[in-house]
Amino acid sequence: QQPVQSPQAVILREGEDAVINCSSSKALYSVHWYRQKHGEAPVFLMILLKGGEQKGHEKISASFNEKKQQSSLYLTASQLSYSGTYFCGTPPNSGYALNFGKGTSLLVTP
Amino acid sequence: EPEVTQTPSHQVTQMGQEVILRCVPISNHLYFYWYRQILGQKVEFLVSFYNNEISEKSEIFDDQFSVERPDGSNFTLKIRSTKLEDSAMYFCASSSELYITGELFFGEGSRLTVL
Repeated sequence: QQPVQSPQAVILREGEDAVINCSSSKALYSVHWYRQKHGEAPVFLMILLKGGEQKGHEKISASFNEKKQQSSLYLTASQLSYSGTYFCGTPPNSGYALNFGKGTSLLVTP
Repeated sequence: EPEVTQTPSHQVTQMGQEVILRCVPISNHLYFYWYRQILGQKVEFLVSFYNNEISEKSEIFDDQFSVERPDGSNFTLKIRSTKLEDSAMYFCASSSELYITGELFFGEGSRLTVL
């Protein structure tokens, strides 16, 4: 039941844009995005809820297409600090925990 | 800023030995989780804990694993008889809201190496 992320890896120059996609085979109530820097714990970026509500801390935008069961994370004018692995997480049909995708590795170079 | 703390940061053990990983969640949080991450792979859910009992567990969380909240602050993961494939980074997380709308706060992780 894990979501599928694409692409697997992205290399950008500072200032360029990137889109990371997350899709699920089942209906979603919410999609969660986390970023993990090398050797560190995952850090919360955003929650997108059915109905259009979003909760997030960073100046990173995202979309959630409920009908297509997809979410996209938009990284615009990328900074070196954006480098890391981005995981999307989706809730199971029942239960209390997120299932994470395999991650998208993003490297921003000077 | 409140944070989730984990100990030890790194533990090396022999196959077959018992290991206890400890976590102190954020004090007013109600939901607690253990995840693991094998090197270079995705973050995998192990178990969630709420109201002093397991809420959900994954297929990975077999009889070798157990969790406990022995007091009001600590949350532990015990692996009874470690296997080589248990080598991974183990993350504890907590949240104040149910996962659907709640941000997970992860600890820095405990790296377990089984020899």
